[in-house]
Amino acid sequence: EVQLVESGGGLVQPGGSLRLSCAASGPTFSRDWMHWVRQAPGTGLVWVSHITGDGSRMNYADSVKGRFTISRDNAKNTLYLEMDSLRAEDTGVYYCAKDQSYSMDVWGKGTTVTVSS
Amino acid sequence: QSALTQPRSVSGSPGQSVTISCTGTSSNVGAYNYVSWYQQHPGKAPNLMLYDVTKRPSGVPDRFSGSKSGNTASLTISGLRAEDEADYYCCSYAGRYTWVFGGGTELTVL
Repeated sequence: EVQLVESGGGLVQPGGSLRLSCAASGPTFSRDWMHWVRQAPGTGLVWVSHITGDGSRMNYADSVKGRFTISRDNAKNTLYLEMDSLRAEDTGVYYCAKDQSYSMDVWGKGTTVTVSS
Repeated sequence: QSALTQPRSVSGSPGQSVTISCTGTSSNVGAYNYVSWYQQHPGKAPNLMLYDVTKRPSGVPDRFSGSKSGNTASLTISGLRAEDEADYYCCSYAGRYTWVFGGGTELTVL
């Protein structure tokens, strides 16, 4: 069974940058579409970004477009989220998730990002 | 990319049934049969309960069922159990490799 482990969260000042990683186990990573989903404290889930298995197509929520970049290294079974120009409203738990039929069937435990001065 | 609309909270007694609605638009829920539902217990990661509107992943009890009519999808939980108490989120594919979640519904088992 696929397992996902996020890392890279932490405290960063507004305007700063952070790179999240998601290490995946399992033999199918290079074929799996992947997502990033975030959850601000006490609020609901928000879809952030998606990337196809070969990395050729990706898209973003309007709230992060132009500031966040999703990428993957299939040789390392790792998904990334590069976050620039961070704002207080980017604070939250960031989950990576594997796609199955346009849903998210496997989730990591999340990594926490705090944007504060 | 406005969030799908869900009731903030629903409740039911053990053994009863509850239904959670999820209203979107003709650009997301109404356009695709790619509605999924997630259960999230406090402090935990979400767990997929239904996908493709009605399909259950392995291990999800058949007490959980889904439907869709027009721009509104629904999750029904029958035979409520204490462990069903959690937050539930719907999610829909919205085209061009974008997705949108609902605001979430808190289910209380009385």
